[in-house]
Amino acid sequence: QKEVEQNSGPLSVPEGAIASLNCTYSDRGSQSFFWYRQYSGKSPELIMSIYSNGDKEDGRFTAQLNKASQYVSLLIRDSQPSDSATYLCAVSKEDTGRRALTFGSGTRLQVQP
Amino acid sequence: DAGVIQSPRHEVTEMGQEVTLRCKPISGHDYLFWYRQTMMRGLELLIYFNNNVPIDDSGMPEDRFSAKMPNASFSTLKIQPSEPRDSAVYFCASKMGAKGYEQYFGPGTRLTVT
Repeated sequence: QKEVEQNSGPLSVPEGAIASLNCTYSDRGSQSFFWYRQYSGKSPELIMSIYSNGDKEDGRFTAQLNKASQYVSLLIRDSQPSDSATYLCAVSKEDTGRRALTFGSGTRLQVQP
Repeated sequence: DAGVIQSPRHEVTEMGQEVTLRCKPISGHDYLFWYRQTMMRGLELLIYFNNNVPIDDSGMPEDRFSAKMPNASFSTLKIQPSEPRDSAVYFCASKMGAKGYEQYFGPGTRLTVT
């Protein structure tokens, strides 16, 4: 079992729709959760971080965390063609040891104009 | 503010040659990470430093790989001798441990070993 699992996609949504990206993780000690966006040929760009159960909103993005279910999600409202990219879920255990990120394989999102 | 700086951006070398990748973290950040990204394995940690000291090198694939951080503003990742399977994009990232957990990535070095 991979430590961080994501559906590779592609996830295709029409422009203006809500895109829902999901991620599960296996280590219950994980404490910090991140979503990175990576355009083809570019480096990962941090778009959201979440540390406690519940929702966190930032503009068109909402991150959701459920530690009991070991589940993290990212919602993108009013999707735009410029949102087309690969979205990487990452987790870390800041306070108890390993501070490096463990990444999922990424979900490719395609927003159709 | 300048972000993480990496050089070179592209490197093409022949098998058996030594390769040195360079990274300058964001000023004031006390953690530095080296990651490698391939289609097959995704993005994976090679090694990370805290205050210039290597903390976890469990991801370094073998003795051909070595990393150093001689001061707070510079790190190198060296591959000697290089092999075709080392072809990948190598990213450096940094973070400020005391104030947050977010890591910021450099633009990466695309390495091709022929």
